[in-house]
Amino acid sequence: GAGVSQSPSNKVTEKGKDVELRCDPISGHTALYWYRQSLGQGLEFLIYFQGNSAPDKSGLPSDRFSAERTGGSVSTLTIQRTQQEDSAVYLCASSPRQGMTYEQYFGPGTRLTVT
Amino acid sequence: DAKTTQPTSMDCAEGRAANLPCNHSTISGNEYVYWYRQIHSQGPQYIIHGLKNNETNEMASLIITEDRKSSTLILPHATLRDTAVYYCIVRVLGGDYKLSFGAGTTVTVRA
Repeated sequence: GAGVSQSPSNKVTEKGKDVELRCDPISGHTALYWYRQSLGQGLEFLIYFQGNSAPDKSGLPSDRFSAERTGGSVSTLTIQRTQQEDSAVYLCASSPRQGMTYEQYFGPGTRLTVT
Repeated sequence: DAKTTQPTSMDCAEGRAANLPCNHSTISGNEYVYWYRQIHSQGPQYIIHGLKNNETNEMASLIITEDRKSSTLILPHATLRDTAVYYCIVRVLGGDYKLSFGAGTTVTVRA
């Protein structure tokens, strides 16, 4: 079946520009997560959605970062006035939250390069 | 969450079973064992999880010792595409959803 998809797969942008990253979770998954991973580094949690609500935004690095989710499905992560330190792979994951299990299924990521 | 210990690296032959150990001696009764992997330049991939019974799915088998202090992930017929870093983590039932991985085991499958 279809997995988590993300677009674009690669994005090169100039410092100061805004970017939007899209995530399509697995159909029916109510939980959605955004992470980022810098080269050779571990996962950095950004934000968690349950349905359209974001009860945990604690990982967003600054107010330049925002995210929304509509229809309990697609999510968009927006970075305003991009900086070079924003360069990373941005990963989206979804979880079925069925029963008591919390496995997360990841998309392929969007590689963001800020020049 | 309990800490896990994994070997830094291991090699295995293509077509053979790969047995990946994980120690979690401080695991508590309500913590599940999860396995993920990350192939180079790809996002993490969920493999399997279990509480105390052995589990099997289309990707792998998970064997958890009776005392739950260690487990083994088994890839029954390793292929070159299984080359990846494999992470063993433990999570409290319904606990912290923010995934983070330790160093994991770098598995290299050789032809």
